[in-house]
Amino acid sequence: QVQLKESGPGLVQPSQTLSLTCTVSGFSLTSNSVHWVRQPPGKGLEWVGAIWSGGSTDYNSALKSRLSISRDTSKSQVFLKMNSLQTEDTAIYFCTIGTTHDYWGQGVMVTVSS
Amino acid sequence: DIVLTQSPATLSVTPGESVSLSCRASQGISTSIHWYQQKSNESPRLLIKFASQSISGIPSRFSGSGSGTDFTLSINRVESEDFSVYYCQQSYSLPLTFGSGTKLEIK
Repeated sequence: QVQLKESGPGLVQPSQTLSLTCTVSGFSLTSNSVHWVRQPPGKGLEWVGAIWSGGSTDYNSALKSRLSISRDTSKSQVFLKMNSLQTEDTAIYFCTIGTTHDYWGQGVMVTVSS
Repeated sequence: DIVLTQSPATLSVTPGESVSLSCRASQGISTSIHWYQQKSNESPRLLIKFASQSISGIPSRFSGSGSGTDFTLSINRVESEDFSVYYCQQSYSLPLTFGSGTKLEIK
């Protein structure tokens, strides 16, 4: 059974760094890509970036300078780090599988506020 | 970046009606379009992939069509559980992009 679960702090101060973890089960990170998608409150979906089965990464160009995605295959975990957070980064952050986003985690709400 | 334009933004229908939701791409993307349903306070759920491929566990009243730049999600005889927001997304090229969504509401 495929499962994904996001975890991380619910509140981050402006200019600080966000660190999120996506813990997966039921599939292999070396055979599937994992993506991060975010959704500001009341708004639509935005692709953040991805780590591919071979370990390479791609990012939304608007976030690229602040963003890093990595993984630990032994722990079945994917990590997102975003620095210099602003209020506009307040959103639910989801991790998903594959470019068709076949499966989604429950999401984690991140609020950027002092 | 490929822009996806969904229309209408809101669609008001009576249960039992059949509806079509539109997604138009800013350039040709073959059939690399996927549809998601998002109910309030839930994660999105994949409904249709690659324009018309059905997904296991998704009711057969959902179907998709189109290629190139124009795509349609059809719901045959809308049921009460279908009232939610629908998004299209393209995987033809990076960055992956989503449409702004169509909200299906009860008339």
